Amino acid sequence: GENVEQHPSTLSVQEGDSAVIKCTYSDSASNYFPWYKQELGKRPQLIIDIRSNVGEKKDQRIAVTLNKTAKHFSLHITETQPEDSAVYFCAVNQFYFGTGTSLTVIP
Amino acid sequence: DAGVIQSPRHEVTEMGQEVTLRCKPISGHDYLFWYRQTMMRGLELLIYFNNNVPIDDSGMPEDRFSAKMPNASFSTLKIQPSEPRDSAVYFCASTLGSTNEKLFFGSGTQLSVL
Repeated sequence: GENVEQHPSTLSVQEGDSAVIKCTYSDSASNYFPWYKQELGKRPQLIIDIRSNVGEKKDQRIAVTLNKTAKHFSLHITETQPEDSAVYFCAVNQFYFGTGTSLTVIP
Repeated sequence: DAGVIQSPRHEVTEMGQEVTLRCKPISGHDYLFWYRQTMMRGLELLIYFNNNVPIDDSGMPEDRFSAKMPNASFSTLKIQPSEPRDSAVYFCASTLGSTNEKLFFGSGTQLSVL
């Protein structure tokens, strides 16, 4: 099966700085890479996704990049705000999830 | 649409008891997924259905777990008998068209087995 690794497990940044979370996967046939945000006690919610025929996708302060050759994809959050504090999960297709990154944005 | 609806929100039971979790997907969605979330193992896919048919149940931990989808608007996940290690948050999610589309999660069921 697929093996998804996510780093770092925790990340603290100052408000206004950027945050980057990286995931690697093992199956070169994988073709859909979503990112989810989960606030404490809440359900995961999709924040951005990318498909294998695209290298980069951006939505306001959030961007995702995909390197199919190296089999990794990254979440970039710019101009971070305290409300960005949450746990972020990468996923491969809808079947395999990373272990999560707890992001804290310090005001 | 009210979104994906799960019940109950919380369930506390004793070891050995039967537990049934329920899910109503978003109307019109043809894929339904059951996930389990724990601190140790993160989010794990247990099983998913397409048009009410189970497609992949390889994530179901053991025979104590079973899932059904008798119609397009209802699914159950049953644990019989329950064990303390089954304690987790169980999420149901649905999507439309393929497995590679936006997932809509329910609020989850927090299960505690004493």
